[in-house]
Amino acid sequence: AQTVTQSQPEMSVQEAETVTLSCTYDTSESNYYLFWYKQPPSRQMILVIRQEAYKQQNATENRFSVNFQKAAKSFSLKISDSQLGDTAMYFCAFMKPNTGNQFYFGTGTSLTVIP
Amino acid sequence: DTAVSQTPKYLVTQMGNDKSIKCEQNLGHDTMYWYKQDSKKFLKIMFSYNNKELIINETVPNRFSPKSPDKAHLNLHINSLELGDSAVYFCASSQGFSEAFFGQGTRLTVV
Repeated sequence: AQTVTQSQPEMSVQEAETVTLSCTYDTSESNYYLFWYKQPPSRQMILVIRQEAYKQQNATENRFSVNFQKAAKSFSLKISDSQLGDTAMYFCAFMKPNTGNQFYFGTGTSLTVIP
Repeated sequence: DTAVSQTPKYLVTQMGNDKSIKCEQNLGHDTMYWYKQDSKKFLKIMFSYNNKELIINETVPNRFSPKSPDKAHLNLHINSLELGDSAVYFCASSQGFSEAFFGQGTRLTVV
């Protein structure tokens, strides 16, 4: 089974500042997909960003960007210009494409944006 | 128009009861899932279906039985509910290499 590790259970950041959430994963696969999901208090799981392992270029989505280091099996999320609405649990996820396409999730990082 | 919808959103029931959670997706996806999120927020896969066929069945008690009448629906039936079954249950769907789309979750409380 694949494992996904998020070593920061809780983090906080001042509004308008930048914060980076860490994620590492363990796999022997060469083709896979990585995701960051956000879960606000409403508990809805919302996709933040996705990265294909075969792409060297780091994915970017507005204020959200990733630092994907394939050799190190690292996939960190950077949030720029943090906003109060970014307060949420953030989950890193790994997906190996095959029949069933199982998603493996990390244990999550609780991010609080401080006004 | 909700992409993945599950009902009910909240379910409070007594130990020993049998209950069902329904899930429907209108995205045309082939794969559907049930995840359990415990009190520590950990998301654990329970079941995965692809075109109505069971693909993944993690170590889940056989009191939990998924049913997929068609590829747009994946329901979860739970027999003889126990206190430890209290959690948030998420239905999700995906297609090919896309991300998983989640329902809004069902908070099950067993008293």
